[in-house]
Amino acid sequence: GDSVTQMEGPVTLSEEAFLTINCTYTATGYPSLFWYVQYPGEGLQLLLKATKADDKGSNKGFEATYRKETTSFHLEKGSVQVSDSAVYFCALFRQGGSEKLVFGKGMKLTVNP
Amino acid sequence: EAGVTQFPSHSVIEKGQTVTLRCDPISGHDNLYWYRRVMGKEIKFLLHFVKESKQDESGMPNNRFLAERTGGTYSTLKVQPAELEDSGVYFCASSQASGMSYEQYFGPGTRLTVT
Repeated sequence: GDSVTQMEGPVTLSEEAFLTINCTYTATGYPSLFWYVQYPGEGLQLLLKATKADDKGSNKGFEATYRKETTSFHLEKGSVQVSDSAVYFCALFRQGGSEKLVFGKGMKLTVNP
Repeated sequence: EAGVTQFPSHSVIEKGQTVTLRCDPISGHDNLYWYRRVMGKEIKFLLHFVKESKQDESGMPNNRFLAERTGGTYSTLKVQPAELEDSGVYFCASSQASGMSYEQYFGPGTRLTVT
């Protein structure tokens, strides 16, 4: 079945550090790929998405590129801020299959000033 | 516009008791989803409603879980009787329509602890 594997953490970084969170997936066909973020006390929010190979999703300084050849969708940010402290989830959605998101285990990021 | 709301935010119950979780989707959203995150594991799909009908309940773990969506508005998820392994965070999400073009908007979750 479809699955997502991502770095689990927790990870602690200093402000302005570079962030990479690895995510790889297994799925038949051509899924859409997402990064969701959960800030403390809030629900999951869509951070960015990509719907086809080589697409780059970006938002709030975060970027991720859909790499079909490596089945990956790594999340990057060049300079993290304290406000980026949250749990990050990689997910996929396969059109034509069950209408559900398939998530990775999530990674808790803490950014210290 | 109000987002997806869930009640309660936390619930602590003893094994064998019953708990009912509630989700109010965004107004006008026909699609409603339940997901669950057990400690340290993935967020897993439980079921999907389209209006009041269950479109997919393949993720429901067993018959101790009962989900309803009366009138196609709010939804409830009842666990009866609760077991220790039911502990986790239960998320509800809604979307305007189904398919990858329609974002699923999530609520803050209900943290369920079964002791």
